Amino acid sequence: GAGVSQSPSNKVTEKGKDVELRCDPISGHTALYWYRQSLGQGLEFLIYFQGNSAPDKSGLPSDRFSAERTGGSVSTLTIQRTQQEDSAVYLCASSFNRGVNTEAFFGQGTRLTVV
Amino acid sequence: AQSVSQHNHHVILSEAASLELGCNYSYGGTVNLFWYVQYPGQHLQLLLKYFSGDPLVKGIKGFEAEFIKSKFSFNLRKPSVQWSDTAEYFCAVNGDSGSARQLTFGSGTQLTVLP
Repeated sequence: GAGVSQSPSNKVTEKGKDVELRCDPISGHTALYWYRQSLGQGLEFLIYFQGNSAPDKSGLPSDRFSAERTGGSVSTLTIQRTQQEDSAVYLCASSFNRGVNTEAFFGQGTRLTVV
Repeated sequence: AQSVSQHNHHVILSEAASLELGCNYSYGGTVNLFWYVQYPGQHLQLLLKYFSGDPLVKGIKGFEAEFIKSKFSFNLRKPSVQWSDTAEYFCAVNGDSGSARQLTFGSGTQLTVLP
């Protein structure tokens, strides 16, 4: 597609439920990032995928959070047993990865509200 | 680890005023530096970037930024702001760590331009 696509755009879930957020990166982009943006906060790094390498999961806030990237393309971020503090906008970005000279393109985000 | 500091959380200006938003980063190696902008209701988009060469970088919409290596700074400037520049601005750094080239963002600066 022309840009990074995320779905759903909005998600309201009850506390304790699991949610899955989807990201379709730009075709050909080998790097994929997930970030979380909370109200009044900056962008919190969650996880980074690069090609077939092991992902950098250092930003995941707890073991309730996991992500996978199938076939080097689509990625799913899963949050288990959601809590109210998980409410935020979850952003996905993708990029080429030629050395360090690259820029990331962002999707519109998924606004997650845990009630 | 790399980090980014944006000291101005909220800046309010009148139209035609000059703008300078501060950005300082912490990283000892080669860096790529970015400014992203998020207009109300829209996704993050790249404003300008520095990879190498001329430390004064020109971006879209009349914005520019200057990389001062000795000060670890990459401040964003615009000589005369417009009402349409109202948005949140994020500085980001991508360090040459060799492994996970994650983009690290600052906490953002909300710019409000009064007509």
